[in-house]
Amino acid sequence: AQSVTQLGSHVSVSEGALVLLRCNYSSSVPPYLFWYVQYPNQGLQLLLKYTTGATLVKGINGFEAEFKKSETSFHLTKPSAHMSDAAEYFCAVGPTGTASKLTFGTGTRLQVTL
Amino acid sequence: DSGVTQTPKHLITATGQRVTLRCSPRSGDLSVYWYQQSLDQGLQFLIQYYNGEERAKGNILERFSAQQFPDLHSELNLSSLELGDSALYFCASSPHQGSGELFFGEGSRLTVL
Repeated sequence: AQSVTQLGSHVSVSEGALVLLRCNYSSSVPPYLFWYVQYPNQGLQLLLKYTTGATLVKGINGFEAEFKKSETSFHLTKPSAHMSDAAEYFCAVGPTGTASKLTFGTGTRLQVTL
Repeated sequence: DSGVTQTPKHLITATGQRVTLRCSPRSGDLSVYWYQQSLDQGLQFLIQYYNGEERAKGNILERFSAQQFPDLHSELNLSSLELGDSALYFCASSPHQGSGELFFGEGSRLTVL
């Protein structure tokens, strides 16, 4: 079975500050890991993904995440927050075999203040 | 715009009723997934179809059923509705089986009164 834990349901940062959203995973097989973002009244959108290879993954809108196997973590970072980054962020793990379902974390709501 | 279309966007109905949610995947995507998003349960995987065949089943209630048609659109049927079924239902499609890259629609918000 696979699962993800997102630490902190709400994170607030000032505009221009570092964004750090935490995700830890559990998987019995080498995981594929994802970060998705959900803006208000919209569906989820893929930010970035790790499958194999380079452990530092760059995504859209200046976000990046690092896969750390020893820590079973896949934290999402952005050097400088922008007001437009305010949204809910979901970490996900999967898929396994031919079933492509993803297992999502409970989400972290990012608030960006002036 | 993800290219995934869901209808209706909003639906209000009463307990005990039955509703059908419809999803048109992105052009060329063979996989369709249904997820339920609620405040208390978060995002829960319901079911996946690939080219008309059921491929994976998650936390889908027996009162719920789904299918994918030859033109690849999918429908999620919810029956004997209960208050607790009120949620946002997302459809997503994927270009490749096993990629994990999902394209989500904007969801259908179901309110059961």
